[in-house]
Amino acid sequence: AQRVTQPEKLLSVFKGAPVELKCNYSYSGSPELFWYVQYSRQRLQLLLRHISRESIKGFTADLNKGETSFHLKKPFAQEEDSAMYYCALTGAGSYQLTFGKGTKLSVIP
Amino acid sequence: NAGVTQTPKFQVLKTGQSMTLQCAQDMNHEYMSWYRQDPGMGLRLIHYSVGAGITDQGEVPNGYNVSRSTTEDFPLRLLSAAPSQTSVYFCASSTRRGHNEQFFGPGTRLTVL
Repeated sequence: AQRVTQPEKLLSVFKGAPVELKCNYSYSGSPELFWYVQYSRQRLQLLLRHISRESIKGFTADLNKGETSFHLKKPFAQEEDSAMYYCALTGAGSYQLTFGKGTKLSVIP
Repeated sequence: NAGVTQTPKFQVLKTGQSMTLQCAQDMNHEYMSWYRQDPGMGLRLIHYSVGAGITDQGEVPNGYNVSRSTTEDFPLRLLSAAPSQTSVYFCASSTRRGHNEQFFGPGTRLTVL
């Protein structure tokens, strides 16, 4: 069975401080990992996916298959980064996304 | 394009009542799904469809029915609402490939008294 674990329900950081949102996964095959974000009063939207190896809004995430992790990082937090962040996993060729329970990021001015 | 639309935005039901949450997308996506979002539980998959006429159960299907008669529409039916179904419901769609982005609707906030 596939599982996504986000150990922190809430993460508070000061503006300008580095941010790391943790995500660990369990999957027997080759996973595809995503980070979705939900800003206040907005719909859930894709932030980034590991297959693209991209940086979006200053965020990056590297898939570490040895540690089965896909942590989301940003060197300098901004107030507009405050949101709910969900890590999600799907198997190659699959349609279904399995979500973690989410981490609420609060950036303190 | 309107993307993924959901109606209603809010709904209050009494225990035992039935209702249908509507979901539509205009992106010609094959895959559509319904999630519920509960505090501390994240998003859990209720039902999904890989194309018109094809539906399957997700992680938490009990108490919900779906059908997919067209590519565009994927309604979610609550046959006899229970307080445990109080939640925010999200519909999503994507193209056939799993690694493509899923597009989410704005959500329906349902309260069952």
